[in-house]
Amino acid sequence: GDSVTQMEGPVTLSEEAFLTINCTYTATGYPSLFWYVQYPGEGLQLLLKATKADDKGSNKGFEATYRKETTSFHLEKGSVQVSDSAVYFCALKTNAGKSTFGDGTTLTVKP
Amino acid sequence: SAVISQKPSRDICQRGTSLTIQCQVDSQVTMMFWYRQQPGQSLTLIATANQGSEATYESGFVIDKFPISRPNLTFSTLTVSNLSPEDSSIYLCSVEGPGQGGPPLHFGNGTRLTVT
Repeated sequence: GDSVTQMEGPVTLSEEAFLTINCTYTATGYPSLFWYVQYPGEGLQLLLKATKADDKGSNKGFEATYRKETTSFHLEKGSVQVSDSAVYFCALKTNAGKSTFGDGTTLTVKP
Repeated sequence: SAVISQKPSRDICQRGTSLTIQCQVDSQVTMMFWYRQQPGQSLTLIATANQGSEATYESGFVIDKFPISRPNLTFSTLTVSNLSPEDSSIYLCSVEGPGQGGPPLHFGNGTRLTVT
């Protein structure tokens, strides 16, 4: 079946550090890929998405590229801020409309 | 994007009782999804609620434990019945966004349930 594997957390960084959260997936066909962010006490919000191979999703300084050859969708940000502290979820959605989520990675950014 | 209001935001319930969670969307949607997020874990789909038909439950979830109503295109409720401490979780309502090519999900802020 479909699956999403995320880098285990928690991840702790200093402000302005470079962030990478790895995500790989297994799915039949060509899924759409997403990163969601969950701030404390809130639901998940879409951070960025990519719908086909080599697409790059970007938002708020975060980027991720849909790599079909490595079945990956790693999340990156060049300079993190304290306000980026949250839980990040990688997810896929198949053409049949079913969504599968990774286990989430908790990011803490210290000033 | 859709605005989803979910309530209550949190509750503490005694074992053996039930909790009903309400989800209101500011636009008409065909499908509404209910997820469970157990502490420190990912999201698990409980069921998909379509207006005018029975909800579709995922493996491991049954209607007797998680009855769902979907009276119209903007509203749904999830009841968690006969509560036990293992039901302590965050419950999330979600809908699909518009557009083609695998639209993302939009989520309510969740209901944090603690069962004592």
